[in-house]
This record gives sequence, structure tokens and C-alpha cells, in this order.
Amino acid sequence: KQEVTQIPAALSVPEGENLVLNCSFTDSAIYNLQWFRQDPGKGLTSLLLIQSSQREQTSGRLNASLDKSSGRSTLYIAASQPGDSATYLCAVMAGTYKYIFGTGTRLKVLA
Amino acid sequence: GAVVSQHPSRVICKSGTSVKIECRSLDFQATTMFWYRQFPKKSLMLMATSNEGSKATYEQGVEKDKFLINHASLTLSTLTVTSAHPEDSSFYICSVFPLLVTDTQYFGPGTRLTVL
Repeated sequence: KQEVTQIPAALSVPEGENLVLNCSFTDSAIYNLQWFRQDPGKGLTSLLLIQSSQREQTSGRLNASLDKSSGRSTLYIAASQPGDSATYLCAVMAGTYKYIFGTGTRLKVLA
Repeated sequence: GAVVSQHPSRVICKSGTSVKIECRSLDFQATTMFWYRQFPKKSLMLMATSNEGSKATYEQGVEKDKFLINHASLTLSTLTVTSAHPEDSSFYICSVFPLLVTDTQYFGPGTRLTVL
């Protein structure tokens, strides 16, 4: 059974810091991995989608890497801003096209 | 990304009543949609896979008679929470999976259900 874990569960950093969020999954047989952002009481915003054949994706200040063999992905946020404060979720798509979501990292960037 | 709508966005109901939540795919036709549930400060948990023209497939531990899913068309799936109880209060999110177009899911904005 696929399990997805995110570390740390919560993170508080001063504005301007570069930071790394971690996601690990137990079954490497995945189609893709996606990082989402969720603001309190809101739905999901897709940030980056990495196909199983890819090693990384970049969008602006965000960079996501994927190491399928070791079951790990990282989301790198450069020059963090207070507006980046949110919960970040990773999700892996496995067989039958289901997404299994990670436990989430609550990020707070202090001004 | 594709546009997925959910209606209502927020609903409050009394215990014992039934509530229907709609999920519409505005950009793609989808034979497959998914329903997720998210408890406060928790992650999303997959409830069921909604299949157009056939019965939904429920995840282990999800009561199919309590959470009725109808996928009557290629753009609409509904989730009905029957005989709702306070413990059913949660954030329900649907997603659309247009397999022939892309290999990812597009998520709706969610429905906040509060059962009094």
C-alpha cells in the first residue's frame, strides 16, 4: 500500500530564506508526482507536476525534484515571501490513476 | 489547467438530512472523477472513484450506502451524503481525470459541509 509522508509537518522561517520541503513515498511505481498549495479553507492550487520519467520541474521560485528509485521528492522555494505561507501537499499518482496525498507541510513565512 | 466547479461551496444542514454535492467538469469530458475528503488540519483522503455509466468504486472503510455517487454524464458527478451526522462534517473535494487528454487530475474548489 502506497504511503506518502512529508517532513517537516510545520515550518516557520523569516522572509527571504531558501527552504526545502520533503516528500517520501513507499512504492516507486508511480506515474507522476504533483506538488500543491492549499490556503486555509480553500481548495488546491497545482504548483508543479513531475512525470515519472523526469527528474525535476521549475516554475519561478519553485523547483521540484524527483528521485523515483529512492522514493523521494523535494520542493525548493527560493527567497521565501510571506505570501508563500500555506500548506504544501505532495501527491503521487499510482496504479488506477489515484492520487495518494502526503501528510502536508504547514509553512509560515514571517515578514 | 482545466476548470472544475463544485456546488455548493458551503452547506450547513441538520443531522439526519441528506446533502448533494455536484462536481462539474467545464473543459473536459471525463469518464473518471474522484471524490476526496479532508478533515480539519489533515490531508486529503480518497473516498471513491466515480465511473461514468457504472458503479463507483469505494476505498476501504468508506460506506457506499452513506456516500452515494452518481456519475450520470461525462461532465457531472454527484456525491450525496445520506443521513448526515456531525462526524460527516468535512471538506469534500472532487477531481476530474480526462485520461485521453492528460495524465493528471484537475481539482475542484471544494465543498465545506457542516452538520449540526
